[in-house]
Amino acid sequence: DQQVKQNSPSLSVQEGRISILNCDYTNSMFDYFLWYKKYPAEGPTFLISISSIKDKNEDGRFTVFLNKSAKHLSLHIVPSQPGDSAVYFCAARLEGVGAAGNKLTFGGGTRVLVKP
Amino acid sequence: DGGITQSPKYLFRKEGQNVTLSCEQNLNHDAMYWYRQDPGQGLRLIYYSQIVNDFQKGDIAEGYSVSREKKESFPLTVTSAQKNPTAFYLCASSTLGPGDTQYFGPGTRLTVL
Repeated sequence: DQQVKQNSPSLSVQEGRISILNCDYTNSMFDYFLWYKKYPAEGPTFLISISSIKDKNEDGRFTVFLNKSAKHLSLHIVPSQPGDSAVYFCAARLEGVGAAGNKLTFGGGTRVLVKP
Repeated sequence: DGGITQSPKYLFRKEGQNVTLSCEQNLNHDAMYWYRQDPGQGLRLIYYSQIVNDFQKGDIAEGYSVSREKKESFPLTVTSAQKNPTAFYLCASSTLGPGDTQYFGPGTRLTVL
């Protein structure tokens, strides 16, 4: 049972336009959400996060929106750049303490291609 | 230069052999994690550890073993009991504070022939 889902496996966008990546979750006990970016044959790098007590977090070109009632979050990248072409993973964390509380559940990823 | 190192980057083994993947961090992080990624899929947690000499099973621990003898090191052994070991393996570490981010190593691609 996938608790975190990214229903769009791929996304193609023109350079300069907005990229919108979506993520849905089923477990209402998730208290923290993260987005990671991953290039082929490399480890994921942290991009941006949001606590469940907030509905928006912005960092430069990246904004994450959280809709708790819909159990949905999205990542907006604007403007999109060719260097943004990568796989993006949504991850969610269950409330807890210690490493158990930092366990992450990942979605399947969305491959983004930004065309020049 | 602080970070997480995994070695080797590519590893080939014959079916039936155990193999150990290395993960070292110099970030002074208490917690360490092992994930596996299969093509087109997300990351799945194998094992995690929050303190030396202690570790817990993740979602897919069968066929794997770990040790945590030093804070900096969290090696993963893929045993012959693992039915489908060919995958990309990622190690991560974090502090134990609330909201602390996991930082990932570059990964090891294991191919079992």
